[in-house]
Amino acid sequence: KAGVTQTPRYLIKTRGQQVTLSCSPISGHRSVSWYQQTPGQGLQFLFEYFSETQRNKGNFPGRFSGRQFSNSRSEMNVSTLELGDSALYLCASSPQGPPYEQYFGPGTRLTVT
Amino acid sequence: KNEVEQSPQNLTAQEGEFITINCSYSVGISALHWLQQHPGGGIVSLFMLSSGKKKHGRLIATINIQEKHSSLHITASHPRDSAVYICAVSEVGSNFGNEKLTFGTGTRLTIIP
Repeated sequence: KAGVTQTPRYLIKTRGQQVTLSCSPISGHRSVSWYQQTPGQGLQFLFEYFSETQRNKGNFPGRFSGRQFSNSRSEMNVSTLELGDSALYLCASSPQGPPYEQYFGPGTRLTVT
Repeated sequence: KNEVEQSPQNLTAQEGEFITINCSYSVGISALHWLQQHPGGGIVSLFMLSSGKKKHGRLIATINIQEKHSSLHITASHPRDSAVYICAVSEVGSNFGNEKLTFGTGTRLTIIP
């Protein structure tokens, strides 16, 4: 099976802009989780979608949002970008979601200037 | 205090040495994960544990639920084991199956030939 794919892999945006990141899970996986990784805060949970429903959300401002489509592909959106949003954004898929094993994508590295 | 603490933060060892990385957590969990992250960002799930011990090749993971502690051991370490090792816990929530992961800060392991 093909692994989890994320697009784009690298992105440079300016403060105040918005960005949309995409994640295609492993075929058959219905859960997609999103994580932010920064040098200062490490890995932090953003949200998890299962069958198009957001089941869980981390402690992030409302500028961070996501959605999942009927084919389980997921997108996350960050509006009004801030310098502190520069990070590696990782998605992970699994058949059922946490606490079960998750399969991570390669990540999208976002730089906000 | 972080919910998940790892030690050491950095570890440098000679090829062939036995490696131990520790993880302590303060919350009730349904599962604990050990993850490996290589330079470039990709994360691989090594183990998911809810009790006892698991072994995969040269890697062994143990967990003591009563003491809220887990260890990851690497036998006969090799330079290709150089990576960041991350402990993550899935905190018991109101609905099993839609929990979220909380991560430790990681242990950077360097194996010198």
